[in-house]
Amino acid sequence: DAGVTQSPTHLIKTRGQQVTLRCSPKSGHDTVSWYQQALGQGPQFIFQYYEEEERQRGNFPDRFSGHQFPNYSSELNVNALLLGDSALYLCASSSTGEGQFFGPGTRLTVL
Amino acid sequence: GQSLEQPSEVTAVEGAIVQINCTYQTSGFYGLSWYQQHDGGAPTFLSYNALDGLEETGRFSSFLSRSDSYGYLLLQELQMKDSASYFCAVYSGGYQKVTFGTGTKLQVIP
Repeated sequence: DAGVTQSPTHLIKTRGQQVTLRCSPKSGHDTVSWYQQALGQGPQFIFQYYEEEERQRGNFPDRFSGHQFPNYSSELNVNALLLGDSALYLCASSSTGEGQFFGPGTRLTVL
Repeated sequence: GQSLEQPSEVTAVEGAIVQINCTYQTSGFYGLSWYQQHDGGAPTFLSYNALDGLEETGRFSSFLSRSDSYGYLLLQELQMKDSASYFCAVYSGGYQKVTFGTGTKLQVIP
């Protein structure tokens, strides 16, 4: 079991650009959640996908959007990047009634 | 909304026992998790408590009291590699939204 995987590991973009991050959940998990973690802070919930639909959303602007595919993998898209979007982006997978397992994260740097 | 409180820093001696407390305020509480995160790494799942009581996994134990909105993580036989940040996280709401605390930085000293 490969656990939760994310790609890419690191990414450098410039302001105004768009980025897509990818996540494959742990085997047997059907729910994917995305988090943003700034340096020295706890992860902040962006949104959660289940059955290919966004079913919960945190306090993030519409520039942040996502998608879940039939195989439960997921993408996070961020448009019109700002310097403040620089962070570690974490994907976590779970199934109902269990804790969430995190992937290694994607480190995004916006210049 | 949700809020969690945990100490920002804790220092303990190698081989000793340390307890990291977490108090929370939330509606629609489902459960409490603990995560370990080393610098530059991703959070690693340690435990999930949905019911009151103590859950033990090796050197780590986690406790929950739903009536007191309180939980703690207990680390025994501390090792240098346990130096990391520890986050409590509350699961709440109909779809189990997860809210993280601000983290406790544990430093284990010889």
